[in-house]
Amino acid sequence: GENVEQHPSTLSVQEGDSAVIKCTYSDSASNYFPWYKQELGKRPQLIIDIRSNVGEKKDQRIAVTLNKTAKHFSLHITETQPEDSAVYFCAANFGNQFYFGTGTSLTVIP
Amino acid sequence: GAVVSQHPSWVICKSGTSVKIECRSLDFQATTMFWYRQFPKQSLMLMATSNEGSKATYEQGVEKDKFLINHASLTLSTLTVTSAHPEDSSFYICSAAGGNNSPLHFGNGTRLTVT
Repeated sequence: GENVEQHPSTLSVQEGDSAVIKCTYSDSASNYFPWYKQELGKRPQLIIDIRSNVGEKKDQRIAVTLNKTAKHFSLHITETQPEDSAVYFCAANFGNQFYFGTGTSLTVIP
Repeated sequence: GAVVSQHPSWVICKSGTSVKIECRSLDFQATTMFWYRQFPKQSLMLMATSNEGSKATYEQGVEKDKFLINHASLTLSTLTVTSAHPEDSSFYICSAAGGNNSPLHFGNGTRLTVT
């Protein structure tokens, strides 16, 4: 089956700096890669996703890149704000299942 | 690392019967567990948030009497699909948080088929 690895597990950045979270996957058949943000005590929310026929996708301060050859994809947050502090996790979709990374706890220091 | 164990991984049952799915946090205490349902090629759909020692919080459109959730301890939450019907066939997945600012850990999911 698919194996998704996510790094780092924790990340602290100064407000205004950029944050990058990386994920790798093992099965080249995976073709859909969502990213979720979870704030403390709240449900995970989809923040951005990318499909295998696209190399990059951007939504305001958030962008995701996908390298199919290397089987890795990354989340980029620019101009970070304190409200970006949360746990982020990636996922890879293979068949009828989603395989998730273990999460990254992002702290934006004011 | 933290592990969430979900059982069974798959189950086939007949219409009208009930099925219980367990979600356990193996090496951490989870005050909150989440239950999701996943349709083919779609993202997770949050069904309910399970809080230890209190009633679960259900998302809009989820029948609480059909999907019974019990979170009796800090390491165990159960989802019971009562009087299952074929339309309940789906992939159900739980997740658990170990504490403040802890990553969300997911179970491997349960594929339910109702015949």
